[in-house]
Amino acid sequence: GDSVTQMEGPVTLSEEAFLTINCTYTATGYPSLFWYVQYPGEGLQLLLKATKADDKGSNKGFEATYRKETTSFHLEKGSVQVSDSAVYFCALLRGSTLGRLYFGRGTQLTVWP
Amino acid sequence: GAGVSQTPSNKVTEKGKYVELRCDPISGHTALYWYRQSLGQGPEFLIYFQGTGAADDSGLPNDRFFAVRPEGSVSTLKIQRTERGDSAVYLCASSLTTRGSSPLHFGNGTRLTVT
Repeated sequence: GDSVTQMEGPVTLSEEAFLTINCTYTATGYPSLFWYVQYPGEGLQLLLKATKADDKGSNKGFEATYRKETTSFHLEKGSVQVSDSAVYFCALLRGSTLGRLYFGRGTQLTVWP
Repeated sequence: GAGVSQTPSNKVTEKGKYVELRCDPISGHTALYWYRQSLGQGPEFLIYFQGTGAADDSGLPNDRFFAVRPEGSVSTLKIQRTERGDSAVYLCASSLTTRGSSPLHFGNGTRLTVT
């Protein structure tokens, strides 16, 4: 069945460090891929997405590239800030109609000044 | 404008009791979703509505769980004969349409604790 596997956290970095959070997926067909973020005390919100192979999603300095050959969608940021501290979730959607999103377990990121 | 609102924010109930969790979506959003998040896990799909009808309820774990959206706006998730394993954060989300380009807007969730 469809599933998402994320690297286990927590991840702790110093400000301005480079961030990678790994995400791989299993799905039939050609899913759409998402990263959601949950800041402390807030609801989940969409960070970025990619809907087809080789697409790159980007937002707030974060990037992720949809790699069909490695079934991956790793999240990267070149220089993290304290305000990036949050839980990050990778998710997939089969097809183009929103409905059942499959989420990974989430990765807690803490950035120290 | 107002986001997705979920009430109550916390609910503690005894095993065997009935509970109702409410979700007020963003005004004008036609699609509404319920997810459940257990500790240390990602959100797990339960059900989604397009308008008043349940378009996909395949994630409901058993017949103790039921959800309604009678007027195509507010939704209520109902859990009968609660069990300790039902303890989790129940998340509601809405989207303008069901197209993949329309992002989900999540509420802050209802934390349900069954004692």
